[in-house]
This record gives sequence, structure tokens and C-alpha cells, in this order.
Amino acid sequence: GQNIDQPTEMTATEGAIVQINCTYQTSGFNGLFWYQQHAGEAPTFLSYNVLDGLEEKGRFSSFLSRSKGYSYLLLKELQMKDSASYLCAVMDSNYQLIWGAGTKLIIKP
Amino acid sequence: GAVVSQHPSWVICKSGTSVKIECRSLDFQATTMFWYRQFPKQSLMLMATSNEGSKATYEQGVEKDKFLINHASLTLSTLTVTSAHPEDSSFYICSAPIGTSGDYNEQFFGPGTRLTVL
Repeated sequence: GQNIDQPTEMTATEGAIVQINCTYQTSGFNGLFWYQQHAGEAPTFLSYNVLDGLEEKGRFSSFLSRSKGYSYLLLKELQMKDSASYLCAVMDSNYQLIWGAGTKLIIKP
Repeated sequence: GAVVSQHPSWVICKSGTSVKIECRSLDFQATTMFWYRQFPKQSLMLMATSNEGSKATYEQGVEKDKFLINHASLTLSTLTVTSAHPEDSSFYICSAPIGTSGDYNEQFFGPGTRLTVL
């Protein structure tokens, strides 16, 4: 079966750095996405990785290792507004998104 | 970036009634749209893939006759929850990918519709 694993919840301090991991087992691979979702809202796109390596976009970076079935989202200089759920999703061989359950990130002052 | 809208944002209805949710791509054409359902504290679950000009493709376990999907044009897909019951209460989200099948690299989500069935 297809499976996406990410921690349920993480806590970090304002101004610090946090890394959210995601491991996956899917039928084929056509890219990995990270989305941010605030409570009661739809997800918003953060990043897309299809090749191995690190993609940096401002305070957020995303890393992918296809051979390990592993990705992480790195958030730097954390702000209170970063408190949200972070969803990892993999596009499988049928070009459908398989979603992780999300990691709830709590930022403390 | 591209914009996808949904209407209504929230709806409360009585058990047994039908509810229609619209999903529109405002500044691009979407031959394909996806409908998701999300229960509290759970991941998005793909319900169906809506294809303009053809029948929708439903995921296993999703009742076709209960969740009617019509992709009437390149910018509009509708999801109708027929004879809604309290267990259908959920957050319904649509998305539209950019690109063609086999080359999607981003999806744009609508803001979601919160359905509460009394």
C-alpha cells in the first residue's frame, strides 16, 4: 500500500529552526509537495521537489532523497504565524497526490 | 499565482437535503479538478477527479450516486452532496492543477466549503 509518515505534532520556539520529516512509500514517484494549512483553511503551496537535493525559498527549505523515500521541510527564524499544520504529499505514478496526515507545529514565544 | 474559488464557504442544512458546491478556476482553464474531503484533524482524502467533458473518476469507497460531480466547463466543477446526512459533515476542498496530465507540478486549492448537516 501507499503510505506517508510524518510526526503528528512538534513544538518550537519563536526565532528558532525546526525540521519536519516525511517518509513515503508510494506506487511510483512524480514529485513531493509541502503545504501549509492553518486551522479551518485550505492548504497553501510551499514547495515542490522532484530531484534529490535542497530547494531553498526564503525562510523555508525542502530536501528530498528519492533513494531513501525521505524529505524534510526546514523552517528558519520561526514566527508565531508559522503555527499551522504542515502537510507532506507525494504524487504517485497516476499523478494523484497521496497525503500525509500533517504535522501540527506549535510555536511558543 | 492562479486563483481557485469555492462557493459557498460554509453551509448548514437539514438531513435529507442536497447541497451543491461550486469550484471555479478564475484566471486559468482547468480540464481536471480534484475534490477532497477533510475530517477534523485528519488528512485530505481524495474523493474524485473531475474531468471536463467526461465522467468523473471516483475513489474507492466514494458513492457516485451520493456525490454527484459535473465539470460543466473549463473553469467550473460542481459537487452535489445528495440526501446529506450528519456523517457527511466535513470540509470539502477542490483543487485544480496547472499543466497537463503527466506534467502537474502544482495544484491550487479553493478555500474550502464547510458543510454541517443537522
